[in-house]
Amino acid sequence: GAVVSQHPSRVICKSGTSVKIECRSLDFQATTMFWYRQFPKQSLMLMATSNEGSKATYEQGVEKDKFLINHASLTLSTLTVTSAHPEDSSFYICSADRIPGHTQYFGPGTRLTVL
Amino acid sequence: GENVEQHPSTLSVQEGDSAVIKCTYSDSASNYFPWYKQELGKGPQLIIDIRSNVGEKKDQRIAVTLNKTAKHFSLHITETQPEDSAVYFCAASGVTGGGNKLTFGTGTQLKVEL
Repeated sequence: GAVVSQHPSRVICKSGTSVKIECRSLDFQATTMFWYRQFPKQSLMLMATSNEGSKATYEQGVEKDKFLINHASLTLSTLTVTSAHPEDSSFYICSADRIPGHTQYFGPGTRLTVL
Repeated sequence: GENVEQHPSTLSVQEGDSAVIKCTYSDSASNYFPWYKQELGKGPQLIIDIRSNVGEKKDQRIAVTLNKTAKHFSLHITETQPEDSAVYFCAASGVTGGGNKLTFGTGTQLKVEL
């Protein structure tokens, strides 16, 4: 149990386009999901906390208008990278907070490459 | 806010030996300490966690110890195997109204050599 999926696993896009990444908890409900960004050989950097039915909470320095987050249901959160630029290229990972216990399970990640 | 330090950054052991990774945290209110294993190109996988009401937890070859007074916790892997080679992250959090916000350590690259 406790499986989190992400789609797509890999995406290549042109500069200026928008990209949507989906995160789903497959066998449990999650009122809270998290979005992280990870650069090569570095730790995970929290971008935002996504709560079902309410606005996301963004970490300091993360542009909310560039990284749009929607948590429409207890099993789905989406991250949209708007007007992507090469510096947005990274590994994006979501996690879902399973209750009870507040145990956080991660998705497999999405590799975004912006040309 | 919380700050988590992790050591060593790289660790090389011979197959069958034990590996120990240590983390310290700064916020005495933190009460949940998970460990994740991340293989190249994949998302982190939860391997074991501990809560502040216990001092040690074991799951087969993996164990975690917690010293709340000293604010440090450690991951112990016994009888290491080549498939244990990966990056390991420790994390700490205190439950807030917004869920379990984790602060991660900087990671340890574990290499198990034949």
